[in-house]
Amino acid sequence: ETGVTQTPRHLVMGMTNKKSLKCEQHLGHNAMYWYKQSAKKPLELMFVYNFKEQTENNSVPSRFSPECPNSSHLFLHLHTLQPEDSALYLCASSQALEGEQYFGPGTRLTVT
Amino acid sequence: AQSVTQPDIHITVSEGASLELRCNYSYGATPYLFWYVQSPGQGLQLLLKYFSGDTLVQGIKGFEAEFKRSQSSFNLRKPSVHWSDAAEYFCAVGDNDYKLSFGAGTTVTVRA
Repeated sequence: ETGVTQTPRHLVMGMTNKKSLKCEQHLGHNAMYWYKQSAKKPLELMFVYNFKEQTENNSVPSRFSPECPNSSHLFLHLHTLQPEDSALYLCASSQALEGEQYFGPGTRLTVT
Repeated sequence: AQSVTQPDIHITVSEGASLELRCNYSYGATPYLFWYVQSPGQGLQLLLKYFSGDTLVQGIKGFEAEFKRSQSSFNLRKPSVHWSDAAEYFCAVGDNDYKLSFGAGTTVTVRA
């Protein structure tokens, strides 16, 4: 595996479900990010981790809970989501916080 | 806070013709500037970046961009487009706190 991988690629969940998105980077980077991409809107930065420490929570609702057990893995735990949370969730990584970011293919989430 | 404007929502260009995508940013200091491309169902791929130095930046896939401080612009160009260049293109600006702000994107359609 190379680059940034995300699983699952597609997820449909009800509003009462609990699910998790997984991201793994094989680039030896130290920073990882979660973004939300909704139709016709710019990418929204959700969370930033640097050396496993969360450095940014961009006013994200608590129904989204990130976890970064090590510099290579990043999770986004989801619970009691709303239909408006349906979007493409992108993970990215960078060598350092100020470096260019490399993106995974995303998880297409649909909340029913 | 920085912001990015991509004035063109959708551009249609003939295969073999030249392409220019506009990007304007708002940021008080010297920004970090990026162009990303996203094909349907995929994540974002970095085309090129500007951090400092030569204001004409070469990227992958035959793309280049020019940073013009006086115009707060970072326009992307390609002399001759290929059908595979059909995608959505995002301009992004990074600040000293590493946060990336993305434009809303420009969709490029290539006609035969």
